[in-house]
Amino acid sequence: KAGVTQTPRYLIKTRGQQVTLSCSPISGHRSVSWYQQTPGQGLQFLFEYFSETQRNKGNFPGRFSGRQFSNSRSEMNVSTLELGDSALYLCASSLGRSGTDTQYFGPGTRLTVL
Amino acid sequence: QKEVEQDPGPLSVPEGAIVSLNCTYSNSAFQYFMWYRQYSRKGPELLMYTYSSGNKEDGRFTAQVDKSSKYISLFIRDSQPSDSATYLCAMRGGGGSTLGRLYFGRGTQLTVWP
Repeated sequence: KAGVTQTPRYLIKTRGQQVTLSCSPISGHRSVSWYQQTPGQGLQFLFEYFSETQRNKGNFPGRFSGRQFSNSRSEMNVSTLELGDSALYLCASSLGRSGTDTQYFGPGTRLTVL
Repeated sequence: QKEVEQDPGPLSVPEGAIVSLNCTYSNSAFQYFMWYRQYSRKGPELLMYTYSSGNKEDGRFTAQVDKSSKYISLFIRDSQPSDSATYLCAMRGGGGSTLGRLYFGRGTQLTVWP
């Protein structure tokens, strides 16, 4: 079974631009979560989608948004990029939202903002 | 204070050593505990998953949970150079705002030298 895939793997943008990242979950998984990983803050939760609805949200500004499609694929968008948005963005999928549903991570998209 | 505290290391040990990695947490709602391993430029991969207090063993790895002390550990026996990676503890609750998301420690960078 294929794992979680994320595209693109690398992105370079300039301040003020916007970016869209894509995540395809493991087949059959309906929950997709997004995390930002930086050396200073570690892994921080962005948001979680289940059945096309945002179910949980972390403490990030409104410039960070996402959505989920009927096939469970998810996208996240960051508008008006800032230098501090440079990070590895990780997507994780799980069967459902239960605590027993393991989250499996993709390889991440490394975003560099210049 | 972060909800999950983990000593970032770095930790450097010789091949064959026993490695002990630890995390403490403050939220009593956490019920599920995980250890992820992350190699450089890769996404985290699930190593161990535990639910109740006690020990769980898988090959050279043992995960230990002490809910009364809010303390979890990962032991690696007979460590190998291939174990060199960053180890992240993660946990989640069973409901409310803790559902659908993982809370991570900062990660401990481990190097096992031959």
